[in-house]
Amino acid sequence: KQEVTQIPAALSVPEGENLVLNCSFTDSAIYNLQWFRQDPGKGLTSLLLIQSSQREQTSGRLNASLDKSSGRSTLYIAASQPGDSATYLCAVRHAAYNTDKLIFGTGTRLQVFP
Amino acid sequence: DADVTQTPRNRITKTGKRIMLECSQTKGHDRMYWYRQDPGLGLRLIYYSFDVKDINKGEISDGYSVSRQAQAKFSLSLESAIPNQTALYFCATSEPGANQPQHFGDGTRLSIL
Repeated sequence: KQEVTQIPAALSVPEGENLVLNCSFTDSAIYNLQWFRQDPGKGLTSLLLIQSSQREQTSGRLNASLDKSSGRSTLYIAASQPGDSATYLCAVRHAAYNTDKLIFGTGTRLQVFP
Repeated sequence: DADVTQTPRNRITKTGKRIMLECSQTKGHDRMYWYRQDPGLGLRLIYYSFDVKDINKGEISDGYSVSRQAQAKFSLSLESAIPNQTALYFCATSEPGANQPQHFGDGTRLSIL
């Protein structure tokens, strides 16, 4: 059974720091991995999607990497800002099951203080 | 206007009541999904639909039913609500294809007393 873990569960950093959020999964047979941002009272916003054949994706100050063989992904946020404060979720789409579902981690709650 | 709209945004109701949560989308996507989010458990898939005539159970479908009234509308029903169905419910959509991202609504916070 595929399991997705995110460490740390919470993180508090001063503005301007570069930071890394971690996501690990137990079964490397995935189609892709997606990073989301969730703000309080809001839904999930898709940040980046990395296909299983890719190593990384970049969008602005965000860079996501994927090491499928080791079951790991990282989300790198450069020059963090208070507006980056949110919960970050990773999710994998598993290739072994004939269903269209994402398996989510429980998230990392990020606070960036001025 | 939001691409994926969920109504209501908040609902408090009593055990045993029938409840319907609605989702509509303007993205033109064929695929729609219902998830629930519980603290410490992440999001879990309840039901998903590939098109109007194709509806599938997810990992936690017991106690729920769905209806795909049109390409743009997918509703979730709790026939007889129970307190452990208290959660945050999300609707999502995507285009067909293994590498298409899912797009989420803002969620419905449901409390069952």
